[in-house]
This record gives sequence, C-alpha cells and structure tokens, in this order.
Amino acid sequence: GENVEQHPSTLSVQEGDSAVIKCTYSDSASNYFPWYKQELGKGPQLIIDIRSNVGEKKDQRIAVTLNKTAKHFSLHITETQPEDSAVYFCAARRSNFGNEKLTFGTGTRLTIIP
Amino acid sequence: DAGVIQSPRHEVTEMGQEVTLRCKPISGHNSLFWYRQTMMRGLELLIYFNNNVPIDDSGMPEDRFSAKMPNASFSTLKIQPSEPRDSAVYFCASTPTGYGYTFGSGTRLTVV
Repeated sequence: GENVEQHPSTLSVQEGDSAVIKCTYSDSASNYFPWYKQELGKGPQLIIDIRSNVGEKKDQRIAVTLNKTAKHFSLHITETQPEDSAVYFCAARRSNFGNEKLTFGTGTRLTIIP
Repeated sequence: DAGVIQSPRHEVTEMGQEVTLRCKPISGHNSLFWYRQTMMRGLELLIYFNNNVPIDDSGMPEDRFSAKMPNASFSTLKIQPSEPRDSAVYFCASTPTGYGYTFGSGTRLTVV
C-alpha cells in the first residue's frame, strides 16, 4: 500500500519568514495530494490540494509543489503569522475508481515565533 | 451546512464497557471515513463506506471494533469490549467526490 513520509516533525519559524514542509510518497499511481491543518482540539481542515496534472498551485500565502518523477511534494507558507501555528499533515491517494481513501503523513508541528 | 457532526465530543469509560461513537456526514456526501489519531501512530484509517457500503475495513484493529452505516446520514463505530489501548481521538470524515475530505471535530475516548 501507499506510504507517506513527512519532514520535519517540528518546525519553528520567525513571524514573517517562510516555512516549508516536505513529503514523499511510495505509490507511483498516486495522483491526488492534499494538505491539512489541524488546530488544537479540532479536526484536520483542508487548506490546499494538488492533482498530478499540475506542478504547482498557489492560494494567497500558501503554495504546494509536486515532483512526480521524484515522488515528492511540498507545502510552502510565506509571510508566516501566529495563526499559522498548528499541525500540518500531507496525504496521498491513488486514482483507482471507487478508492477514495487517503494515506496521511505523520504531521509537522509548526510554531510561529512572534 | 453544519459540517460533519460527531458525538459525543468526549467519552470516558471503564475497561470492558461497550462504547459507541456516532457520526452524521454532510448531506450529499456519499463517502464516509473513520480515522483514529494517536501520538504514536498518527492518523490511521479504520474503515470507509461508499454509498453506505463498507469498502475497506482493513484498518479495523480487531474483532472488538465494528462499524455500520444504516443510511446516508448516520454511521456508528462500536468498540466492545473497550481496552485502555483504544484511548485515542476518533474522527469521522466525509466527501462527495473523493477530493477534499471534511472532518468532524472528533471524539476523544479515554478508557480507564
């Protein structure tokens, strides 16, 4: 089955600087890669996703890049703010019809230092 | 839309007792997932349903765990008998298309 590795496990960044979180996946048939943000006491919330027909996607201060050849994808947060502090999860899913299950990475605890 | 609704938010039970967790997916979402989250193992998929039919239950730990989806608006995850190692946060999520899961707020289960 799919295996998703995520690094780093913890990341501290000065407010205003950029943060980058990286994930690798094992199944070359995977074609959907979402990122989730989880705040304390809440469920994970989708913040951005990318499909394998594109290499990069941006939404205001966040962006995701995908390298299918190397089987890795990254989350970039620019101009970080205190409210960006949370745990971030990457995930991957293959494209089989009727298969909607996501495999998640182990998470990155991001702390923004004011 | 109220989102995915889970109940209870917190559950404390004694070892050996039966525990039932409940989930109401978003209306119109035809896939529902149960995940378990622990510090040691992260987010683990337990089981998922498509159009109320269980598709993959390979993540269910053992026979003590069972899940049902009697209709499109309700699902339960039952643990009988419960054990301390079952202590975790259990999440339900739903999606209409396989893209963009919406998670509930979770049920924090503590088995003492």
